[in-house]
Amino acid sequence: DAMVIQNPRYQVTQFGKPVTLSCSQTLNHNVMYWYQQKSSQAPKLLFHYYDKDFNNEADTPDNFQSRRPNTSFCFLDIRSPGLGDAAMYLCATSRAGGGTDTQYFGPGTRLTVL
Amino acid sequence: GQQVMQIPQYQHVQEGEDFTTYCNSSTTLSNIQWYKQRPGGHPVFLIQLVKSGEVKKQKRLTFQFGEAKKNSSLHITATQTTDVGTYFCAGIKGGATNKLIFGTGTLLAVQP
Repeated sequence: DAMVIQNPRYQVTQFGKPVTLSCSQTLNHNVMYWYQQKSSQAPKLLFHYYDKDFNNEADTPDNFQSRRPNTSFCFLDIRSPGLGDAAMYLCATSRAGGGTDTQYFGPGTRLTVL
Repeated sequence: GQQVMQIPQYQHVQEGEDFTTYCNSSTTLSNIQWYKQRPGGHPVFLIQLVKSGEVKKQKRLTFQFGEAKKNSSLHITATQTTDVGTYFCAGIKGGATNKLIFGTGTLLAVQP
């Protein structure tokens, strides 16, 4: 019955070693979001897709990239992780956006950078 | 840029006491949503408020949207240990944006 699935739940990588986080959804929602959440902080939006249209936040580092090959899947690529990128990464979906739709969050992937 | 602040940052109550968190935006919001995040968990949608002055209740939780649509509050009556977590408000500025601007969050601890 899981609606937004993230894999893996825990990821350990080395400084500078590329890593890919995965998100899939069974809701057939148009919009998928990636957030970064550090300890005791609010989720920070990195980017989102409305269907195939990619929307980057102005302050998202170039080190973070995303792919959405189809409606169900979305990936977060961190090209050269730094120690400051250690965080929980949350994927979320919404039906259509427009400001009134609920966002459904996945369980998150906790990234550790050694 | 647009900011959404919440107070207090942290609240520790005895079980059975009431709790309130306040959310304030620097700009007028189209609507506001509230999410709860349990320790180690992910945000879960609680409610959405759209109309100026709107009040909604969910059992022991009462949500209010200010008349100017720049502030909101969440009040929990007679807290229980299951209420533990961080409560985030999240505002939407309006227009065609799909983006939520999350508040800074209030962590609620409930002592049995």
